[in-house]
Amino acid sequence: AQTVTQSQPEMSVQEAETVTLSCTYDTSESDYYLFWYKQPPSRQMILVIRQEAYKQQNATENRFSVNFQKAAKSFSLKISDSQLGDAAMYFCAYRSRVTSGSRLTFGEGTQLTVNP
Amino acid sequence: NAGVTQTPKFRVLKTGQSMTLLCAQDMNHEYMYWYRQDPGMGLRLIHYSVGEGTTAKGEVPDGYNVSRLKKQNFLLGLESAAPSQTSVYFCASSYLPRLARTNRNEQFFGPGTRLTVL
Repeated sequence: AQTVTQSQPEMSVQEAETVTLSCTYDTSESDYYLFWYKQPPSRQMILVIRQEAYKQQNATENRFSVNFQKAAKSFSLKISDSQLGDAAMYFCAYRSRVTSGSRLTFGEGTQLTVNP
Repeated sequence: NAGVTQTPKFRVLKTGQSMTLLCAQDMNHEYMYWYRQDPGMGLRLIHYSVGEGTTAKGEVPDGYNVSRLKKQNFLLGLESAAPSQTSVYFCASSYLPRLARTNRNEQFFGPGTRLTVL
């Protein structure tokens, strides 16, 4: 079974600064997807960015980028030019390409605070 | 499109009572999921369905039952609620993998149901 670990329960950043959220995972598979989801106080789960394991290039979405280290099984999220609206709980998630049902396995979450 | 909707948004139960949570999606997704979210534990999969009439157990299925009689609906039932089932419940849906590549393999989530069992 796959596991996902987020070792930072809480992080804080100053507005306009850069912050990196950490995620590690454990799997014996070689082909899979990794995701970062954002959950603001509204509780709505919002997909921030995804990475396909077979792609060496790190994914980017505007101010959000990842550092995907497949050999180290590490998948960190970098938020540049942090904004007050980035304050939320962030979840790292894993999805196998072979396991039935395209299920997601989530990490414990990191609560990000953005200070003005 | 309404996306994924959940009914109800909040509910308080007494121990031993039963209830059903309803999830509906209007995106013609094949796959549907029920997760629970507890502090410090992220989201954990309860049950899922890969198509109408099919269901399967996830990571934490005990105490729950599900049904997928219609493609657009996925019901989560608690037959005899326990305080340990106090949680926030999320429903999600997604395309078949062969179609998902054009849609970022995204699971679309509902707004959640906060359930308290006293």
